Amino acid sequence: DAGVIQSPRHEVTEMGQEVTLRCKPISGHDYLFWYRQTMMRGLELLIYFNNNVPIDDSGMPEDRFSAKMPNASFSTLKIQPSEPRDSAVYFCASSDYRDHGYTFGSGTRLTVV
Amino acid sequence: TQLLEQSPQFLSIQEGENLTVYCNSSSVFSSLQWYRQEPGEGPVLLVTVVTGGEVKKLKRLTFQFGDARKDSSLHITAAQPGDTGLYLCAGATSGTYKYIFGTGTRLKVLA
Repeated sequence: DAGVIQSPRHEVTEMGQEVTLRCKPISGHDYLFWYRQTMMRGLELLIYFNNNVPIDDSGMPEDRFSAKMPNASFSTLKIQPSEPRDSAVYFCASSDYRDHGYTFGSGTRLTVV
Repeated sequence: TQLLEQSPQFLSIQEGENLTVYCNSSSVFSSLQWYRQEPGEGPVLLVTVVTGGEVKKLKRLTFQFGDARKDSSLHITAAQPGDTGLYLCAGATSGTYKYIFGTGTRLKVLA
């Protein structure tokens, strides 16, 4: 298996623009998580899905953030409009409930200027 | 809000030395994990512990879950430069499947 695949690896955008981050989880994993990592706040859970259904989105910072999982093999995290304080590394992770261990993707480094 | 405090925040040691990293919380966790993260990559799972007092060993790494399931430690014996990285603990409380991550310990092992 290729692991959790995220795209793009790097994204630089101007303030006010829409940004879409993409994630392909490991096949057969029924949980998918979106995290954000910054030096100041560390790794923060934004939202997670179980069987494509959002279970807990209490970590989503504002209405500017939205996430979808239209099928078991694809998820997106969208920021509209983006702001400089959204600059961070965004990670997607997937898990099989029987295993508990998360497998993380390599992340998307987002810079909003 | 759950808070997982890790100590020390930074650690720089010589190859061959031993070290211990701590993870503490006021919350009780049903399970706790340790990850290692290298620059430009996502965290990689090292171990999951679920029973109070549990000890697990992974080569030179020894993980312990506190009896009350509120804290954990990671001990590395004879550290090597390849152990360099960011060590993260993560805990999940009963009834949830989401893990909250600790503040991290950045380890550098000098050759």
